[in-house]
Amino acid sequence: EAGVTQSPTHLIKTRGQQATLRCSPISGHTSVYWYQQALGLGLQFLLWYDEGEERNRGNFPPRFSGRQFPNYSSELNVNALELEDSALYLCASRQGFHEQYFGPGTRLTVT
Amino acid sequence: AQKVTQAQTEISVVEKEDVTLDCVYETRDTTYYLFWYKQPPSGELVFLIRRNSFDEQNEISGRYSWNFQKSTSSFNFTITASQVVDSAVYFCALSEASETDSWGKFQFGAGTQVVVTP
Repeated sequence: EAGVTQSPTHLIKTRGQQATLRCSPISGHTSVYWYQQALGLGLQFLLWYDEGEERNRGNFPPRFSGRQFPNYSSELNVNALELEDSALYLCASRQGFHEQYFGPGTRLTVT
Repeated sequence: AQKVTQAQTEISVVEKEDVTLDCVYETRDTTYYLFWYKQPPSGELVFLIRRNSFDEQNEISGRYSWNFQKSTSSFNFTITASQVVDSAVYFCALSEASETDSWGKFQFGAGTQVVVTP
């Protein structure tokens, strides 16, 4: 069974640009979570999608947004990039009350 | 409010020593799930264990063991005879049913860095 996949692996952008990160969940999983992990820090919850709808979001500005497609894959968009957005962005998928399974992450660097 | 507390920021041990990672959680729900994850230097979080609130049986998996105590709201993790490959950040997490009875709320602790030296 294929795990959670994320693309791209690395992304380099300049300040003010937009970044789009993608995530494909494990087959059969309807929930997708996004987390930001800045260097040396813990996981900061960004967004949770389930069945195509945004169910909850963390304490992040509106320039962080996303969506979930009918096939349950998801996209995270970050507009007007700032230097402090540089981080590892992790996606996880989940089914019901079970554990989350994480992808390898996208390393975003803003210069 | 912090719902999952991992008070230990970093633990350093010498290979073959045992190491115990503390996790204290806070919830008003009677039904909830607790998890442990490992994040090696490669960055990808690896699921280790899930425990539901009705099952207080301790669990052992190889060199890993978990001690769940509802009375103290703790779910501690012990690595026996540590190895260099155990060097990673370990996260404890809590999942509760939200008001809509969905299991979406999932909260991680701050993580504990374990450093095992030869």
